[in-house]
Amino acid sequence: DAGVTQSPTHLIKTRGQHVTLRCSPISGHKSVSWYQQVLGQGPQFIFQYYEKEERGRGNFPDRFSARQFPNYSSELNVNALLLGDSALYLCASSLTFNEQFFGPGTRLTVL
Amino acid sequence: QKEVEQNSGPLSVPEGAIASLNCTYSDRGSQSFFWYRQYSGKSPELIMSIYSNGDKEDGRFTAQLNKASQYVSLLIRDSQPSDSATYLCAVKNNQGGKLIFGQGTELSVKP
Repeated sequence: DAGVTQSPTHLIKTRGQHVTLRCSPISGHKSVSWYQQVLGQGPQFIFQYYEKEERGRGNFPDRFSARQFPNYSSELNVNALLLGDSALYLCASSLTFNEQFFGPGTRLTVL
Repeated sequence: QKEVEQNSGPLSVPEGAIASLNCTYSDRGSQSFFWYRQYSGKSPELIMSIYSNGDKEDGRFTAQLNKASQYVSLLIRDSQPSDSATYLCAVKNNQGGKLIFGQGTELSVKP
C-alpha cells in the first residue's frame, strides 16, 4: 500500500515569493494535517483538514493557508516567504483523529 | 513551561543495553500519547501509541504512561546501532487532531 506522498521533495525559493506544497494521504484516510519542522526541534502543527473542512489551525501567520480536495489530497500555500520559513514541511494522514502517519516531507529553503 | 518536554540528549547507550527515553507534558486534558522515531534527514515514523495508564509492549519497545504524574516514557530493550535516531514524544488532547511534540531526544547506540 502506498503511504503518504508529498511533492516536491526539495524546493528553493527567494524571499517574497510564494510556494505550494502538495500531499496525498494514505488510501482511505480522510484527514490531513500539516506540520513545520525546523532543524533541532519537533514538528509544529500548522493545519488539520477533515472531509475538506478545516478542523484546526496552529499559531502561524495568515501567510499560511491550506485546503483539501474532494479526493482528500491537500495543498499548503505560503505567501510572501521569509527566511524563517525555511524548514521541513510534513504532511500527516490519519484514519481517525489519533494515529498520524507522516509523509517524506518537503524541504523548503528560502534565500 | 513547554507543553511537552524531553531531555535533548544525546543519550548514549552500548549495544544490547536498555535505552530509556522520558517525556513530560503540561496539559492534564491530554488523552493520547505517541512516540515517533526520526532518522537524520528523514520524516518521523510512528513506533508506539498509548492511551491508558500502564505499560504497552511491542517487540523491543515498551511505552509507559502515568497520567497522574503527566509522564510518558519509552524503553528500548536490546538496543541496536540501527536504533540510533531522534525520538519524538507527541501528545494530543481530545479536541481534534493537533499533535504537540517535544523537541526530541537523540539516541546513539554504540557497537
